Amino acid sequence: KQEVTQIPAALSVPEGENLVLNCSFTDSAIYNLQWFRQDPGKGLTSLLLIQSSQREQTSGRLNASLDKSSGRSTLYIAASQPGDSATYLCAVRPANAGNMLTFGGGTRLMVKP
Amino acid sequence: ETGVTQSPTHLIKTRGQQVTLRCSSQSGHNTVSWYQQALGQGPQFIFQYYREEENGRGNFPPRFSGLQFPNYSSELNVNALELDDSALYLCASSVGTEYEQYFGPGTRLTVT
Repeated sequence: KQEVTQIPAALSVPEGENLVLNCSFTDSAIYNLQWFRQDPGKGLTSLLLIQSSQREQTSGRLNASLDKSSGRSTLYIAASQPGDSATYLCAVRPANAGNMLTFGGGTRLMVKP
Repeated sequence: ETGVTQSPTHLIKTRGQQVTLRCSSQSGHNTVSWYQQALGQGPQFIFQYYREEENGRGNFPPRFSGLQFPNYSSELNVNALELDDSALYLCASSVGTEYEQYFGPGTRLTVT
């Protein structure tokens, strides 16, 4: 059974810092890995999707990397802003088993002005 | 193009009651998945419907059931509500079972 863990569970940083969020998964047989943003009480906004054959994806100040063999992904946020405050979730999709997602518990990020 | 919509936004129920949540899939999408997200946790997969048939189920009891209609909208029904059913229920739709899912805004259910 796939298990996804995110560390740290919560993070508070001053504005402008570069930061790294971590995601690990136990079964390397994945089709892709996706990072989401969730604002309090709201739905999920997809940030980056990395296919299993890719090493990284970039969008603006966000960069996500994937090391499938070691079961790890990182989300790098450059020059953090107060508007980045949210919960960040990673989710893995299994290989050869449909598109149901297994999520980690999330990292709650607060960026202080 | 309209995205995934869910109704209602919030609702409050009493333990033992039954509830129905609704989801309209994005245009052109024939697959709907439901997830439960308890406070402070990540979403957990409940089940998926593809072309009106259940296509997979997570570790949830039978009192969680669903339907998908010919227009691919979907309902999630929960019987005999328990306090632990309080959560944000997320619906996601996709073009088939092998493509990216797109999430709706969720329904917040509170069971008292």
